Amino acid sequence: SQTIHQWPATLVQPVGSPLSLECTVEGTSNPNLYWYRQAAGRGLQLLFYSVGIGQISSEVPQNLSASRPQDRQFILSSKKLLLSDSGFYLCAWYAGSDYGYTFGSGTRLTVV
Amino acid sequence: AQSVTQLDSQVPVFEEAPVELRCNYSSSVSVYLFWYVQYPNQGLQLLLKYLSGSTLVKGINGFEAEFNKSQTSFHLRKPSVHISDTAEYFCAVSDRGGGGSNYKLTFGKGTLLTVNP
Repeated sequence: SQTIHQWPATLVQPVGSPLSLECTVEGTSNPNLYWYRQAAGRGLQLLFYSVGIGQISSEVPQNLSASRPQDRQFILSSKKLLLSDSGFYLCAWYAGSDYGYTFGSGTRLTVV
Repeated sequence: AQSVTQLDSQVPVFEEAPVELRCNYSSSVSVYLFWYVQYPNQGLQLLLKYLSGSTLVKGINGFEAEFNKSQTSFHLRKPSVHISDTAEYFCAVSDRGGGGSNYKLTFGKGTLLTVNP
């Protein structure tokens, strides 16, 4: 079966510290992968997407970066976190029109 | 470019009452339409989707939605809600692919449905 794993579930980090969130997919190959951020009252915003290894597209300018070192691994990073980076981060993959998107369980990031 | 407008940020209803959550979209191309539900501190779960065919789509948990192309709407309905339906609901659109579109989802800002006893 096809599953998506995302960790950690919650994270509290001080301003200026680095960040690494990981997402892995099982049961598929060469998926389209996505990172979304959900801020209070602002819905979900697409941050990055990737159509293959090493291929990253950024949707909005920000303090974050993404990488795809392996086919089924998608990483969200920051060198120095800002308070405004707080939010709920969701990884997703596109499984074709019959199935649509599958979302991970999310990471709640609080920058203090 | 695509956009999604969820007209109500919060909808309070009583248990066993009917509910409608409104969604309008704009797009210059044909789209797929989705409704997702999010329970507190969890990821998104697909409720239903419209790809093609019948404009009335039935999903999980007794929800249904109707695609209205002329009004560019995709409203979500349930005839009788339960306490357990309390959650945030997101409407989303994606293009139909091709031309490097990469199937990106565009979400509305969400509607918080609160079902009261």
